[in-house]
Amino acid sequence: SQQGEEDPQALSIQEGENATMNCSYKTSINNLQWYRQNSGRGLVHLILIRSNEREKHSGRLRVTLDTSKKSSSLLITASRAADTASYFCATDQGGAQKLVFGQGTRLTINP
Amino acid sequence: DAGVIQSPRHEVTEMGQEVTLRCKPISGHDYLFWYRQTMMRGLELLIYFNNNVPIDDSGMPEDRFSAKMPNASFSTLKIQPSEPRDSAVYFCASSWGNRGRSPLHFGNGTRLTVT
Repeated sequence: SQQGEEDPQALSIQEGENATMNCSYKTSINNLQWYRQNSGRGLVHLILIRSNEREKHSGRLRVTLDTSKKSSSLLITASRAADTASYFCATDQGGAQKLVFGQGTRLTINP
Repeated sequence: DAGVIQSPRHEVTEMGQEVTLRCKPISGHDYLFWYRQTMMRGLELLIYFNNNVPIDDSGMPEDRFSAKMPNASFSTLKIQPSEPRDSAVYFCASSWGNRGRSPLHFGNGTRLTVT
């Protein structure tokens, strides 16, 4: 079963704009991770946020976590064509080793 | 570091045939995961190993699926007999450490088509 659900399912924006993707989950977590998947490739880890953190930055990426609402968001600032990919959140379901992935958001950056 | 290596990249087979997917994890990683990705069901965890021992195989869909990890540098996922509904991209991933704090490193997957 899917733990995380991303919203929107697809997003298309112009290069230079900011992109925001949301993830909701159902059970308590210790950590939440975001991954990117380019077409025909495996997933690549972007950032991890712990349940006691509210916000985390990495370059042009900003992740927020609201455990009371069981939701997280990924913001990509100043988007580039190379950011075109699918983005997935993954949760550890209360500390289990296995990660459960959402369905992903397909992001398209138009030049 | 070569990353997680999967083979073959593409596999086309006929229904009823045996299929074996292979994975070499990153050296030093103690966890190995097999995922399946389809448009309908997304990414599903099939099984994972810790120090070569299967820990959770609750995601393995049927007895037709089996996975082994004979040593720290090699794992296989076998489907016998294969069916058209097994068509999907199969990913292997590895990590070091536990409790969901460790990033997973994915291979580029094996695209399986069963006709």
